[in-house]
Amino acid sequence: ETGVTQTPRHLVMGMTNKKSLKCEQHLGHNAMYWYKQSAKKPLELMFVYSLEERVENNSVPSRFSPECPNSSHLFLHLHTLQPEDSALYLCASSREGRRNEQFFGPGTRLTVL
Amino acid sequence: TQLLEQSPQFLSIQEGENLTVYCNSSSVFSSLQWYRQEPGEGPVLLVTVVTGGEVKKLKRLTFQFGDARKDSSLHITAAQPGDTGLYLCAGKTGANNLFFGTGTRLTVIP
Repeated sequence: ETGVTQTPRHLVMGMTNKKSLKCEQHLGHNAMYWYKQSAKKPLELMFVYSLEERVENNSVPSRFSPECPNSSHLFLHLHTLQPEDSALYLCASSREGRRNEQFFGPGTRLTVL
Repeated sequence: TQLLEQSPQFLSIQEGENLTVYCNSSSVFSSLQWYRQEPGEGPVLLVTVVTGGEVKKLKRLTFQFGDARKDSSLHITAAQPGDTGLYLCAGKTGANNLFFGTGTRLTVIP
């Protein structure tokens, strides 16, 4: 499999559930990202991992917990979410460097009931 | 947070028409990228512009980076239904910071 893959593609969860989103990149990149895309709002950068270390956390609530066990895998652990957290969650990867061209996965459409 | 405003927000045109989408900011960027996103998919990179005043062409798409590296435009000639999608500009500042614009949703009617 090539590119950036995300699973699951769709997720419906209650506010008390715990779930995880998975992202895998097969591009040999060394930086990975989580974005949130909501209706009528720009893509919001949530977390950045570079060389498996978190280098950016844009004031994301603690109910979102990222994990990057190696340069190819990225997880987003979810717990006690709110309905306003319903959105498309996109994972991306890139190679460190000036151009920073990011390659996106297809996203996970999350609905919190 | 750097803000990139895109205009228009929505655009619906007939097949064969030309159009221009704008991306404006008060911030200076080291590079600027344009992405297209189709329903149910993630954004796909179209082009990266780096130098102020740079113009890049990708078939019927022409991208320009402003001289001051604060703004950019995307011009599509003879639009086709396959051009339909959400067009996003994204400006890069630091090593990993990529700020996305508000998006332009384009519909090309056959």
